[in-house]
This record gives sequence, structure tokens and C-alpha cells, in this order.
Amino acid sequence: EPEVTQTPSHQVTQMGQEVILRCVPISNHLYFYWYRQILGQKVEFLVSFYNNEISEKSEIFDDQFSVERPDGSNFTLKIRSTKLEDSAMYFCASKATSAHYEQYFGPGTRLTVT
Amino acid sequence: DQQVKQNSPSLSVQEGRISILNCDYTNSMFDYFLWYKKYPAEGPTFLISISSIKDKNEDGRFTVFLNKSAKHLSLHIVPSQPGDSAVYFCAASASRSGSRLTFGEGTQLTVNP
Repeated sequence: EPEVTQTPSHQVTQMGQEVILRCVPISNHLYFYWYRQILGQKVEFLVSFYNNEISEKSEIFDDQFSVERPDGSNFTLKIRSTKLEDSAMYFCASKATSAHYEQYFGPGTRLTVT
Repeated sequence: DQQVKQNSPSLSVQEGRISILNCDYTNSMFDYFLWYKKYPAEGPTFLISISSIKDKNEDGRFTVFLNKSAKHLSLHIVPSQPGDSAVYFCAASASRSGSRLTFGEGTQLTVNP
């Protein structure tokens, strides 16, 4: 069964450093998402991406964040200058078409900022 | 953000019995609702969904009920199995304002053998 994959599973970085989280969405899906879950809190929407551009972003997704689909398979989230409060599980998700609502999630990347 | 709320952080049931997980929402724009199951160290796994034009959707042991007037939905699992033990998230989408999912806090279900 097709699945969303994410790398790395765990990333430790120092405050102020840049990190890139990688995702490979399900191959025939057209819509891509990033969510995050800070420990003990809800899963929160960050950004959605369609047709090579951001279609929606939350207030969390400020200028420190960017997304890119550099090739036909990868979808990346970059945090330019990490802060302690960026420590969280980051989940990538994808969905097939605009007629679908179900989003399929990857296993997540645990980001720890020290 | 309290738009989707799951008031019970945990639920414990006996194997074979029914599990009922509840979810409330406040945003009238939500028109599609989903339940996800999450095991530790894994991402949320899609379980079942329901459109706001329906009041019930069934898939095997899982049934979701939607009460639009009360802004309430519930997930019924029957019979419950030990493998169902996980965190269950309710999520909602408002199709007219994008496709983001808004999640509840989650309910930890434990099914005891």
C-alpha cells in the first residue's frame, strides 16, 4: 500500500541553525501539507501546497518557514533559523485530488532544538 | 484554538465491548469530519470520515455518527479489540475555506483483554 515517508525520523539541531525536513508524498497525490505537534498539544496545520505554490498557510508559518517541491517526488519544509519553540513532531501529509478530503500522514520527524 | 474539542483524554473498555469516542466542534463552516488513529512513534492513520450531508457512516467495526444541530460527532468501535488501543483524533475541514484539517486533542483508548 502506498505511503508517505519522511526523513530523518529524528533531527537534533542548535538554536539558530537551519533545518530541512524531507517528505515523499504518495506518488499520484496532488496536494501536500505540513503539520506539527508540540509535545502535549494538538496537531496544528502549518501549510498546504498545490500546483507548485502555497495554497494556504497558518499564522505559525512565518518568514522563517518555507516549503519546496524540488523534484517530482520530494516535498521539503525548511526552517531558516530554529528556535527552542520549534521543537515538535513534524508531519507531512498528502491527498489525492480536490474531490478528496482524506489526508494521509507520514510517520513524522521529531525535531529537537537545543 | 478550541474549534474542535475532545473532552475525554482517555477511555478504557473491555475487549468485545463497544468503545464510544466523542468530539464537539464550534465552527459552522466545517462540512467534513475525519477520525484518525495514532500509535506511538507513528503518524496519524486515517480511519473513517463523514460528510455533513450525512448523519452516519459505517465501515466494518467502525461507525461515525454526526449530529449537526448539536455540533457533535462520535466514533463507535464494536466489538473493541486490544489492537484498537491507540490515540484517536477527530479532525474537521471547511471546504469553502481551504483544505486544512483542524484537530481535536485526542483520546487515548485502551482496550483491555
